[in-house]
Amino acid sequence: DTEVTQTPKHLVMGMTNKKSLKCEQHMGHRAMYWYKQKAKKPPELMFVYSYEKLSINESVPSRFSPECPNSSLLNLHLHALQPEDSALYLCASSLTRAEKLFFGSGTQLSVL
Amino acid sequence: GDSVTQMEGPVTLSEEAFLTINCTYTATGYPSLFWYVQYPGEGLQLLLKATKADDKGSNKGFEATYRKETTSFHLEKGSVQVSDSAVYFCALPYNQGGKLIFGQGTELSVKP
Repeated sequence: DTEVTQTPKHLVMGMTNKKSLKCEQHMGHRAMYWYKQKAKKPPELMFVYSYEKLSINESVPSRFSPECPNSSLLNLHLHALQPEDSALYLCASSLTRAEKLFFGSGTQLSVL
Repeated sequence: GDSVTQMEGPVTLSEEAFLTINCTYTATGYPSLFWYVQYPGEGLQLLLKATKADDKGSNKGFEATYRKETTSFHLEKGSVQVSDSAVYFCALPYNQGGKLIFGQGTELSVKP
């Protein structure tokens, strides 16, 4: 299994909603990442987990809350988002932080 | 700081044409270099990589050579296909991995 699986594929939410994005991998990778990608732009790093501990937070607003319940799962909890947060959210994993990244297909998020 | 500069797109080619996408970088030391590809509606996939000077990465007919003297990692393919239509990102790892610095991306469109 060489996949990173993200759910849901599409999500529409209001500014007062609470929702969660989920990411799963079964490759034994110990580093997991959240990236945000606007249309026609490169991905921007949000968070890095290494061995289930948060190791990088790129000054992301607190309305985004990551969680890594175990080495295979990564969640991104969303609350009180703004329309400008609409984007493709990509999860990635790697064997360790220094290795190549495997990306999921992303969750296309629209905030109304 | 470390950075990656890619040629701007979009690039439109006819099938079987030769492709070059330029990438130059600025970095401390000699990091690994990557090309990622993003097909429409999907996440990023690692296309190829090179880990040291003069290394040539290759995959699916694409090649790129790590040139230390010109700080370049240009992507080439001798004969493109319609299925190669995608956005291509050059990238290097920053801070011992965990964060990828991406170029701006080059959109390739191949016409039959």
